[in-house]
Amino acid sequence: GQQLNQSPQSMFIQEGEDVSMNCTSSSIFNTWLWYKQDPGEGPVLLIALYKAGELTSNGRLTAQFGITRKDSFLNISASIPSDVGIYFCAGRLVDSNYQLIWGAGTKLIIKP
Amino acid sequence: DSGVTQTPKHLITATGQRVTLRCSPRSGDLSVYWYQQSLDQGLQFLIQYYNGEERAKGNILERFSAQQFPDLHSELNLSSLELGDSALYFCASSGRNYGYTFGSGTRLTVV
Repeated sequence: GQQLNQSPQSMFIQEGEDVSMNCTSSSIFNTWLWYKQDPGEGPVLLIALYKAGELTSNGRLTAQFGITRKDSFLNISASIPSDVGIYFCAGRLVDSNYQLIWGAGTKLIIKP
Repeated sequence: DSGVTQTPKHLITATGQRVTLRCSPRSGDLSVYWYQQSLDQGLQFLIQYYNGEERAKGNILERFSAQQFPDLHSELNLSSLELGDSALYFCASSGRNYGYTFGSGTRLTVV
């Protein structure tokens, strides 16, 4: 089936560092979503993107809908301990049936 | 509270048994999705319902089945349980903006 390539798989960072992660595909999407999952909880929507080239911020988080419509990026500035968790990208293919295609997740770990 | 309610939160059962997980979608959402997440794994799509009808199937085993009722709540039935079925099971619902809202999940442990 369709797949999203999400990278990196995990990141070890120092508190205060900026973080970047991305998702790519060979298919064209008309919606990109970024979610965060805390341990033992369901994913929570962080940012939704609906147009190619769109750049949207949510506090220290910024996400972009790639101009080719085949990729998306999420940046976190000045990371803090509560940023720890798993970040998932998800995309909706053109003409799909409300179904989302999911990346495998990026696990963010802050070094003590 | 996301608005999506899943019960029970935890379930421990023996191999070979059958369990039912329940999900109430967010008010107004017609679509319900079920996902399985094994330890440190990604989200595996199982099945989608839209307004009572099955809309899409993912990697759902034949031992698993689901339905969506007229009041839009959904149930996921897992039968002949195996140790490998131990996982977090999430329900999500969506409306017109395509974003999914997830419940807090049911943690199933098969012993």
